[in-house]
Order: sequence, then C-alpha cells, then structure tokens
Amino acid sequence: TQLLEQSPQFLSIQEGENLTVYCNSSSVFSSLQWYRQEPGEGPVLLVTVVTGGEVKKLKRLTFQFGDARKDSSLHITAAQPGDTGLYLCAGARGETSGSRLTFGEGTQLTVNP
Amino acid sequence: ETGVTQTPRHLVMGMTNKKSLKCEQHLGHNAMYWYKQSAKKPLELMFVYNFKEQTENNSVPSRFSPECPNSSHLFLHLHTLQPEDSALYLCASSLRGLSYEQYFGPGTRLTVT
Repeated sequence: TQLLEQSPQFLSIQEGENLTVYCNSSSVFSSLQWYRQEPGEGPVLLVTVVTGGEVKKLKRLTFQFGDARKDSSLHITAAQPGDTGLYLCAGARGETSGSRLTFGEGTQLTVNP
Repeated sequence: ETGVTQTPRHLVMGMTNKKSLKCEQHLGHNAMYWYKQSAKKPLELMFVYNFKEQTENNSVPSRFSPECPNSSHLFLHLHTLQPEDSALYLCASSLRGLSYEQYFGPGTRLTVT
C-alpha cells in the first residue's frame, strides 16, 4: 500500500515559471518533511512541517501542511535551473514509530534555461 | 569531514562476492539508518540503529547484515546478492531515534552482476 502519493511524477518547465507539487495520503502524519535529491547524491532536508495548516517559506520555496495533516504542497516561484532535482516528501507517524519515515516516490523536476 | 559520508561511492560485485558498505556520521547523532533506493520506488527503510542497538529490521533478507560498532559508524555487509539487489544504498543519521529530521549520505551505487 502506497501511503504517500506525490504528483506529478515528472515536471519539465522553463526558467522563470511557477510550479506546485503535491504530496497526498489517507493517513495522518505527526510531521512531514520535504527533501531534494540531485543526481549521484543523497536527499537533502529542506523543511519539516508539524502543525496542521502550517506554512513555511525558504526563499522561493513555500511549503504547506494540510489542515488535517494528511497532505502537503511545495510551491516554487520563478524556478531556476538550480532547482532541478527529485523532490521527496516523507511523513512520520507518532512517537512510537518516530524513527520511521514513509517516503513518497518523488517528483522529478527539470527546469530548462 | 562533515555530515554523513559513505564509501565506496560505487561498487560492482558478482553474486558470489562478499563486500561491505561503510557509513560514518560527524554530526554527533545517536541514530543511524540504511535505506535502499531503486528506480521508480519510494525509499525503503532497511535497518535502524538507536544508540548502537538495532531497533528495526524491515524484513530484509539475511544476505544483508548490518553492524553498528558505535554511534558514528554503520556498516552493511553483503554476501551472495542477487541482481535485483542493484540499487542506491543510502545511509542516514538523526539526533535520536525519535527525531524525524534525518541527514543522508551521498549513497553507494551498487551493481550486482
């Protein structure tokens, strides 16, 4: 059973465009994280959201956690080629399974100059 | 060295070989993880160590054998692997087992021939 579904799977856009990627689940998560992974490297943590409805900004990236803590979105404004990478969301469920993150399959973003 | 390092970065091995992957974290963390990343699949958690004790074995075949001699080092011993074991193996660490923010190494790209 796929607990976290990310959409779209692939996205190719031109530099300067805006985009939104989504991370959806039928399960409630105590927190959710977004990572970016570049070719040949491991995922790099971008942000952690904990509270339902929470919005966090990281320069041109805006992350939102759904009110019910079942979904999240990542919006990028004026995308740049350096934003290219695999964007992964990961959810954590409760303290007893706090060491376990459930990952989505990722959204592969390509920003063309 | 900073962060999480992994060696080797690339490994090609035959099905009858025995090899080991090494991970070292320089972050003062107490929990370490092994993940498997295959194409078009979410990251799969393999093993979790918290304060050197294995707290999770996610139904991983016995041909994968982890070892955690201290909180800074983690090994994955490999023997009689199958071609379907070819993947990117990622090591991660977190401050403690209940900490959801995990920091990843660059991975070892394993090819089993």
